[in-house]
Amino acid sequence: DAGVIQSPRHEVTEMGQEVTLRCKPISGHNSLFWYRQTMMRGLELLIYFNNNVPIDDSGMPEDRFSAKMPNASFSTLKIQPSEPRDSAVYFCASSLAGLVFTDTQYFGPGTRLTVL
Amino acid sequence: KNEVEQSPQNLTAQEGEFITINCSYSVGISALHWLQQHPGGGIVSLFMLSSGKKKHGRLIATINIQEKHSSLHITASHPRDSAVYICAVGRGNQFYFGTGTSLTVIP
Repeated sequence: DAGVIQSPRHEVTEMGQEVTLRCKPISGHNSLFWYRQTMMRGLELLIYFNNNVPIDDSGMPEDRFSAKMPNASFSTLKIQPSEPRDSAVYFCASSLAGLVFTDTQYFGPGTRLTVL
Repeated sequence: KNEVEQSPQNLTAQEGEFITINCSYSVGISALHWLQQHPGGGIVSLFMLSSGKKKHGRLIATINIQEKHSSLHITASHPRDSAVYICAVGRGNQFYFGTGTSLTVIP
């Protein structure tokens, strides 16, 4: 199995630009999570989906952030417009099934975003 | 106030030593996770616990639900165990992370 796939691995952009991060979960997994990691705040849950439906987006910091999961094999996290404080590593993770946080999560390699 | 507290924040050990990392949490939980983040940044799930004890190779994780406390033990530590270990708890629709314990094992 290829594991969770994220793209791009690195993204450098200028303030005000739109950024789209992509994630392909492990085939057959029903839950998908987006996390952000910064030095100041550590790991934070942004949003998660179960069976392609957003369940909780209370961690999404602002309206500038949006996430979609149009099908079971693809999700996007979009930031529009981007700001320097959005610079972080963004991780996607997936888990097989069942109650959302009682299953092992498999993490992607992360996307390192730098907003200048 | 952090829902999840880890100790110690930093730990340096000699190869072969027995290591313990602690995690305390303040809310009722559905499950507790131990994660390992390698120096390159990748994150691996080590354990998911809701009660008792689990063992995988040289790693042992325990949880005491009444005391809201979990420990991660590494027996016969090795330099390749050098990483950040993160405790996380699931509660309802939320997932709370500790700040991590940075472990360095010296040959």
